[in-house]
Amino acid sequence: EVQLVESGGGLVQPGGSLRLSCAASGFTFSSYSMNWVRQAPGKGLEWVAYISTSSSTIYHADSVKGRFTISRDNAKNSLYLQMNSLRDEDTAVYYCARSSAWRNWFDPWGQGTLVTVSS
Amino acid sequence: DVVMTQTPLSLSVTPGQPASISCKSSQSLLHSDGKTYLYWYLQKPGQPPQLLIYEVSNRFSGVPDRFSGSGSGTDFTLKISRVEAEDVGIYYCMQSIQLPITFGQGTRLEIK
Repeated sequence: EVQLVESGGGLVQPGGSLRLSCAASGFTFSSYSMNWVRQAPGKGLEWVAYISTSSSTIYHADSVKGRFTISRDNAKNSLYLQMNSLRDEDTAVYYCARSSAWRNWFDPWGQGTLVTVSS
Repeated sequence: DVVMTQTPLSLSVTPGQPASISCKSSQSLLHSDGKTYLYWYLQKPGQPPQLLIYEVSNRFSGVPDRFSGSGSGTDFTLKISRVEAEDVGIYYCMQSIQLPITFGQGTRLEIK
């Protein structure tokens, strides 16, 4: 069964850092691009970042550029999101989602991990 | 950024009746490769989004045939021929022709 499981969320103060992880199983992780998408409480979906299979292509949304960094370790079947200089508006459920290539659809999505930025 | 505008933002439908959601993009989603990068997702309560339709009109694996997508350029529609109770949730359109990937605001479907 194809599965994505996020972890690493929690409560952090403004200006703090957090590293999210996404563990992949049930498929050849190194053959797929990956994404992070977030959803603020009661709000819609916002794409955050994309990384290609070999990490050669990386994109970040302007809202997180310079603060967040997407990365992956194909040997560990894992995706990461390093989040620095966190702001109140970064509070959201963060989902990892698989895509076969840039511009392709997201499937599946993980269950998400909640990040709360608050003092 | 490509702005995705969905209408209506909510709809209440009697089981067995049809439903339709519109999604308009601020720019054409037709790429030079011939593909149109428009997708539809459904987020059921308490769950992550799930893919329904890819590239305008292709039903994803396992999606019931009561769901259909149509449109071109900047104007797209998701139709449910006969709504069932399990269809409740929030429907999102998404474009990926241009960075950043953007989603519509979402359309909440409830059952009467």
